[in-house]
Amino acid sequence: KNEVEQSPQNLTAQEGEFITINCSYSVGISALHWLQQHPGGGIVSLFMLSSGKKKHGRLIATINIQEKHSSLHITASHPRDSAVYICAVARYSGSRLTFGEGTQLTVNP
Amino acid sequence: DTGVSQDPRHKITKRGQNVTFRCDPISEHNRLYWYRQTLGQGPEFLTYFQNEAQLEKSRLLSDRFSAERPKGSFSTLEIQRTEQGDSAMYLCASSLGTADRFGYTFGSGTRLTVV
Repeated sequence: KNEVEQSPQNLTAQEGEFITINCSYSVGISALHWLQQHPGGGIVSLFMLSSGKKKHGRLIATINIQEKHSSLHITASHPRDSAVYICAVARYSGSRLTFGEGTQLTVNP
Repeated sequence: DTGVSQDPRHKITKRGQNVTFRCDPISEHNRLYWYRQTLGQGPEFLTYFQNEAQLEKSRLLSDRFSAERPKGSFSTLEIQRTEQGDSAMYLCASSLGTADRFGYTFGSGTRLTVV
């Protein structure tokens, strides 16, 4: 079993819908990262959080350390949000990230 | 600063050949990481440097793989005697510190195809 599990693996939505991507992990962590990967490979960091909730534009990330679970929400989704969204965790004082397999999001106009 | 640069973007090589990839991190970032990503999977850790010191290597990094970061600036990843299983996207990232306190900045990756 992977240390970081994401669901769903694939998600198709209509423009304007509210999107939720989930991430569960099985190890003790001190921080969780959400990243976005577009076709061609480039990865962009969206959030790093260790507790509570962060918001940036239409993106919201939450984490529940006790339940070992995080969610990424996209409000008013748009076709340009289509990408792979990846969750990754960092152990205490760790340098490496352990990644989930990603969620392929497609937003149709 | 233009971010993390990787060269080449694409490399096609014949099985058995050696290949070398280069990564130029953000200049003030002292940590540099190499990850490998195969189709449909998340990136897997290969190795990381703090300045010029290679501090951790994954079991994935077989004897055919070697990485260097001379003078703590750019880094190279060399694969000797390439195999078809080495075909993947090789990602470089840099950061100011540990992943529990600092975000990563990724390069665009080098896609390796071994034929």
